[in-house]
Amino acid sequence: DAGVIQSPRHEVTEMGQEVTLRCKPISGHNSLFWYRQTMMRGLELLIYFNNNVPIDDSGMPEDRFSAKMPNASFSTLKIQPSEPRDSAVYFCASRRTGGVTNEKLFFGSGTQLSVL
Amino acid sequence: DQQVKQNSPSLSVQEGRISILNCDYTNSMFDYFLWYKKYPAEGPTFLISISSIKDKNEDGRFTVFLNKSAKHLSLHIVPSQPGDSAVYFCAASARGANSKLTFGKGITLSVRP
Repeated sequence: DAGVIQSPRHEVTEMGQEVTLRCKPISGHNSLFWYRQTMMRGLELLIYFNNNVPIDDSGMPEDRFSAKMPNASFSTLKIQPSEPRDSAVYFCASRRTGGVTNEKLFFGSGTQLSVL
Repeated sequence: DQQVKQNSPSLSVQEGRISILNCDYTNSMFDYFLWYKKYPAEGPTFLISISSIKDKNEDGRFTVFLNKSAKHLSLHIVPSQPGDSAVYFCAASARGANSKLTFGKGITLSVRP
């Protein structure tokens, strides 16, 4: 199993530019999560999908952030326009949801975003 | 408002000694708790979990204790090894198909040789 795959690993961009982060969840997992890690706030949940449907996007900071999951094997997180305060590590995670208990999350390696 | 709190940002211990990492939560609906470990430039990986019906779960050198009345859990690592040096995140979720994991800010553990 290849695990959760994120791209790019590193992204450096200038303020005002559009940034698109990509994620391929583990095959067979039906839930996908986008997290952001910062020193101040730790790991904060931005949005998550169950069966490709957004369930909770209350963590999305502002309208500049948007996320899509067009199919079970692909998701994007877009920031437009980007700002320096968006600089952080963005993680995608997936799991199999349902049944008696929910299984644990598997994380990708993250995208280190730097907005200059 | 942080529902999962890891109040100590860092901990340093000597190799071979015990490491105790603490975590507090405020949401009484939480009934499943996990610890994740993160090395630099990698994503967090699952370490150990505990359900609210238990007060202890052990896996090798790692033991998690849960005190529901105090809304407190702790991770014990015995004996600590230099390879345990990493950031440890405490996480919690409530029951339900759409439940999400809420993480703390993490604790950086350094194990000195």
